[in-house]
Amino acid sequence: DAKTTQPPSMDCAEGRAANLPCNHSTISGNEYVYWYRQIHSQGPQYIIHGLKNNETNEMASLIITEDRKSSTLILPHATLRDTAVYYCIVRVANYGGSQGNLIFGKGTKLSVKP
Amino acid sequence: SQTIHQWPATLVQPVGSPLSLECTVEGTSNPNLYWYRQAAGRGLQLLFYSVGIGQISSEVPQNLSASRPQDRQFILSSKKLLLSDSGFYLCAWSPNRSGNYGYTFGSGTRLTVV
Repeated sequence: DAKTTQPPSMDCAEGRAANLPCNHSTISGNEYVYWYRQIHSQGPQYIIHGLKNNETNEMASLIITEDRKSSTLILPHATLRDTAVYYCIVRVANYGGSQGNLIFGKGTKLSVKP
Repeated sequence: SQTIHQWPATLVQPVGSPLSLECTVEGTSNPNLYWYRQAAGRGLQLLFYSVGIGQISSEVPQNLSASRPQDRQFILSSKKLLLSDSGFYLCAWSPNRSGNYGYTFGSGTRLTVV
């Protein structure tokens, strides 16, 4: 069972920031928030993850609320190539067993429009 | 660097025929390995995972089986395919050690059972 709730779809204008929300109100203290995306007919691609501090890398920024019950993935300047399904996943750190398995929900289909 | 290979990329098989999909990982040792399936219009479902040679865990009951004959080889099989086995099959790996690691996915096999 996915432990996150995401809107099924969102639109974004090319060049603008895309802000994708995720609710994870039952997150445990030892669970991290991960974001992946899946471009049509490809395997999912890792984007970013975080525990409680905001994180930034070359692809995106992750903003986690202080109570950790929700987060937002930010693509600062969306391009047409960012059109994909974005998955927000909570999981514990990997310990080689099922506890840390990635369980995907339905994600948000982001459409970047010219 | 680590790479993951899946083949074939596409496959059309008749109902009742056997199946063998292969996945290999290079550039790492003792990885965790995973098989996911994505049915048309649906999310990614974890089918099997393996933490070592000969160690297979099944997440859902089904018509498929998995094997890990070598450290970096993961095989998905079926003795008799059903129409419901159609889908996009993805192999993934992650490091088999404590810590926070993302999964790296292969490019997938699109299976159509006719």
